Amino acid sequence: QVQLQESGPGLVKPSETLSLTCTVSGGSISSYYWNWIRQPPGKGLEWIGYIYYNGSTNYNPSLKSRVTISVDTSKNQFSLKLSSVTAADTAVYYCARIIGAGPYHYYGMDVWGQGTTVTVSS
Amino acid sequence: EIVLTQSPGTLSLSPGERATLSCRASQSVSSSHLAWYQQKPGQAPRLLIYGASSRATGIPDRFSGSGSGTDFTLTISRLEPEDFAVYYCQHYGSSLTFGGGTKVEIK
Repeated sequence: QVQLQESGPGLVKPSETLSLTCTVSGGSISSYYWNWIRQPPGKGLEWIGYIYYNGSTNYNPSLKSRVTISVDTSKNQFSLKLSSVTAADTAVYYCARIIGAGPYHYYGMDVWGQGTTVTVSS
Repeated sequence: EIVLTQSPGTLSLSPGERATLSCRASQSVSSSHLAWYQQKPGQAPRLLIYGASSRATGIPDRFSGSGSGTDFTLTISRLEPEDFAVYYCQHYGSSLTFGGGTKVEIK
């Protein structure tokens, strides 16, 4: 079955750029929407954005100015870059798949990575 | 942007009891675009319900979803020990949003 694995630095300095990669195994990255979601310590879930396999993106308006999500279909990976980070960006970052979505349907985020903790601190 | 408000914040119940969780949207949304997730400590969320009422693969039938417009409900008919967790509703639209969560704890 499809599995997702996040990877990247666990510690990022304030004002720098957070970079994470999600590797998709057991299936193709082609088709589907590939998402990043984060969860600050002790808090709820916040959707960051998604990329469709063809490269089209949709970002959370509150983070849009700092977020870039890209996809590398040859490596079956997609990536997150979040610029100008502050302590408020400290969170567990998850990648997840949406199997199908459109004007008349949404099948939910059915596969999730285990999450990776990113701390923003000098 | 759609805001989802979940209530109560915490639900204290005993195993075997019925749990009723509420998710209210700030404006009317399509039930096709409403999902529910379960999250246990230290774990990623798990998809329970999509399209407001369709169970995801492998989800026991004690979990059910209902609702339309602005009011949606997740019901757990008889709580099992493994059901004590945090539950989130989520909407898919021009943006995606999560509710703040309801914690179901053992009374």
